[in-house]
Amino acid sequence: AQSVTQLGSHVSVSEGALVLLRCNYSSSVPPYLFWYVQYPNQGLQLLLKYTTGATLVKGINGFEAEFKKSETSFHLTKPSAHMSDAAEYFCAVGRAGAGGTSYGKLTFGQGTILTVHP
Amino acid sequence: DARVTQTPRHKVTEMGQEVTMRCQPILGHNTVFWYRQTMMQGLELLAYFRNRAPLDDSGMPKDRFSAEMPDATLATLKIQPSEPRDSAVYFCASGLVNGRVTEAFFGQGTRLTVV
Repeated sequence: AQSVTQLGSHVSVSEGALVLLRCNYSSSVPPYLFWYVQYPNQGLQLLLKYTTGATLVKGINGFEAEFKKSETSFHLTKPSAHMSDAAEYFCAVGRAGAGGTSYGKLTFGQGTILTVHP
Repeated sequence: DARVTQTPRHKVTEMGQEVTMRCQPILGHNTVFWYRQTMMQGLELLAYFRNRAPLDDSGMPKDRFSAEMPDATLATLKIQPSEPRDSAVYFCASGLVNGRVTEAFFGQGTRLTVV
């Protein structure tokens, strides 16, 4: 079984400040991990993903995330927040490895709303 | 520009009526997901298809919800009869799962209001 916990349903930062959104996962097999962003009245858009290889993953809009197996974490960061980063962010886990009905299934966290103050 | 297309974008209906939501996945994708998003529950997976076959619909209320893929270009989610608690945004997503997991590409959603 897979699950995702996003710590903090709301995060507020000042423009130019560091953005840190926390995600911890649970998976019985090596996970694939994703961060998505959702703007108001829009669908979810992929920010970045970790599948295999380098544990520090860079995505769009200056975001990056680091896969830490020992901590079962995949936190999302951005060095300097912009007003346009205000949105809801979702962490998701997918099951790696072939076979089984859950292969390819994505489980999402509850989301974190990021507010950016001028 | 390949994208997942959902129709309608908005639907208001009266309790007891049938609601059908449609999704056109990205051409070539073999996996389709239906998610429901509410303030209280967040994103819940309702159903999940691979090569048009349902793999997991355990998240779906069986007595009133049904999901099908009549062909590779169309996925449908039906609610009959609808209830006010079904009010939510319903997202369809598609992806290509072929030896490894890729991301899911989301449609814009159908905002359903049942009054």
